[in-house]
Amino acid sequence: DTAVSQTPKYLVTQMGNDKSIKCEQNLGHDTMYWYKQDSKKFLKIMFSYNNKELIINETVPNRFSPKSPDKAHLNLHINSLELGDSAVYFCASSHGSWEETQYFGPGTRLLVL
Amino acid sequence: GEDVEQSLFLSVREGDSSVINCTYTDSSSTYLYWYKQEPGAGLQLLTYIFSNMDMKQDQRLTVLLNKKDKHLSLRIADTQTGDSAIYFCAESTPNTGNQFYFGTGTSLTVIP
Repeated sequence: DTAVSQTPKYLVTQMGNDKSIKCEQNLGHDTMYWYKQDSKKFLKIMFSYNNKELIINETVPNRFSPKSPDKAHLNLHINSLELGDSAVYFCASSHGSWEETQYFGPGTRLLVL
Repeated sequence: GEDVEQSLFLSVREGDSSVINCTYTDSSSTYLYWYKQEPGAGLQLLTYIFSNMDMKQDQRLTVLLNKKDKHLSLRIADTQTGDSAIYFCAESTPNTGNQFYFGTGTSLTVIP
């Protein structure tokens, strides 16, 4: 009965590979987000999807592509992984308006070697 | 974008009160949130306050909002070792749409 879940929890891969991180929410929310938390713990938004439409893209390299097959899922695909992509990636969801709380997943710890 | 600032580190002794501070820039109506991140875990919502309130209390947690100074604080009474974590404040406003702006996080260490 987890509200926001992510898989995998840990991901170790080589530079240049392509990988995907999956996110699912069972809260009935219509907006989902991806955040990146760097080694200094700074948290920055990457993408937001509302009803399967991209509404925020905060100058993220186009190697990162979010894909939302339906309202409950928002996956993050990363092409040609670089060392600087190593971080913790958090998925979140909300009802979408600025007044609504965002609920976070447990995070995916990505290490690029 | 909005600017949300926090001090990076705070150490307190077990049983003392902790006060974690946050400043923000948007002066329009705002929701302000406190999230807790334990080591190796995700972000857990602790509490939130709307800008028409000055204070909100929830068990050991007290949130104080000074709108004039755009200053938000989280007070944890009787701090326990289990409170050791990183605490993030976040702001959302009509100007930011769906986006939350997070502070840099304050790492709280509770000394037994």
